[in-house]
Parts: sequence; structure tokens; C-alpha cells
Amino acid sequence: GAVVSQHPSWVICKSGTSVKIECRSLDFQATTMFWYRQFPKQSLMLMATSNEGSKATYEQGVEKDKFLINHASLTLSTLTVTSAHPEDSSFYICSAPLTTGGNQPQHFGDGTRLSIL
Amino acid sequence: SQKIEQNSEALNIQEGKTATLTCNYTNYSPAYLQWYRQDPGRGPVFLLLIRENEKEKRKERLKVTFDTTLKQSLFHITASQPADSATYLCALNNNAGNMLTFGGGTRLMVKP
Repeated sequence: GAVVSQHPSWVICKSGTSVKIECRSLDFQATTMFWYRQFPKQSLMLMATSNEGSKATYEQGVEKDKFLINHASLTLSTLTVTSAHPEDSSFYICSAPLTTGGNQPQHFGDGTRLSIL
Repeated sequence: SQKIEQNSEALNIQEGKTATLTCNYTNYSPAYLQWYRQDPGRGPVFLLLIRENEKEKRKERLKVTFDTTLKQSLFHITASQPADSATYLCALNNNAGNMLTFGGGTRLMVKP
């Protein structure tokens, strides 16, 4: 069964709206979670690393004020796309390693399809 | 610059044949390389992880090789089935953490 749950699975909203996406680890604790963005027929691009109890680490070119990340508990990270515009429309996916330690396989949520009109 | 390259063209093969997908990388020195499967509209699913000191890894009908001299990994699916049709992504860690960088993926189509 799924070990990482992502919600909602799809969102359609007007330009200027802020959208919150939740990523939950099921039956395990995730001190670190990762947020990716995937455009059609392209690969996953890492946006940021979400760290429980501390600030997220953003990749170069990703605006931290635009994509707010909160990792307030060991099982939940949220990504808020603030004042979303059509160019923010994409497939957003989160992941978490099942165990601590480096170089671990990632367990991914099923993604959130965001469409901004 | 750092690159992870997979064949962007779809690979079409007949059911029962062996599918071979390629992942090449430049300007990385990964200790590990991972392969994932992604179905349309879904998140990737982990398949196999291979370490730099391992030449080959197998799991059921899947086999992965890792050649750090050629900077290449090959992913094989033997006795392919239509259910194997999906996009396959290679990914690697460039440090001791869990941050992955993904290749562009190769779409595999297995025809009955």
C-alpha cells in the first residue's frame, strides 16, 4: 500500500489564489521530505528539501516566498503555492526516504495536478 | 555541467523480448544509482538501487548494471509484458544525503 499520501490529487483554481498541498508519511516518520515539480513529458525537478522543525532548503531558481514549505511534524509537510499564476500549473510530487541514513530509496506520493486558469 | 541522459524517444518492443534502457551521466561521481517506474499521472515507484562497487543487481525479471568507468547504467526487463509499459527514470545521489537528481526518463511500450 501507499506509504506516502499526497492531497489533493488535483486542483483547478483562478489566478491569484494560494494553494496548499499536503504530503503525509504513513506509518513512518520522515524528518526529511522532498518536493518536486514535473512539467509534461519532462523529468522531476527538485524544488526544495523540507526539514522537520527547521527551514526548508530551496534549489537554485526556486522562489522561497512563492513556494512556502512547512514541516511542522514528523509525518506532514505542506507546500503552499502563493498567488498562483498559469505558469505555476504543473504536477507537484513529494517524496520521503523510508529510513534514515543517506542514499535511501524514495517513496513518492501520487502527485498533485495544479491547473491555474 | 552535470547531466543525466536517458533516451527521450519511446522504446517499442514486442511482448516476451528483453527491454534495455540506458542511463548516462557526466560530471557526477555517484555512490548509488536508482531506477524508478512512473505511470501516467502517478508518482514514481522505486525499483532497484545499485552501489558503485556493484556491477550488477537483479530483482525478479529486472537487472541493472552500473559501469562507473563508462558512467553508464543499463536497465533490463526480461520476458517483457504489456504491463511493463511505463516511463522508467534513473536517478542518482551526488552526495551522502538522500537528494536525488533524475534523468529525463524513457517511455517503454510493450506490445502484445
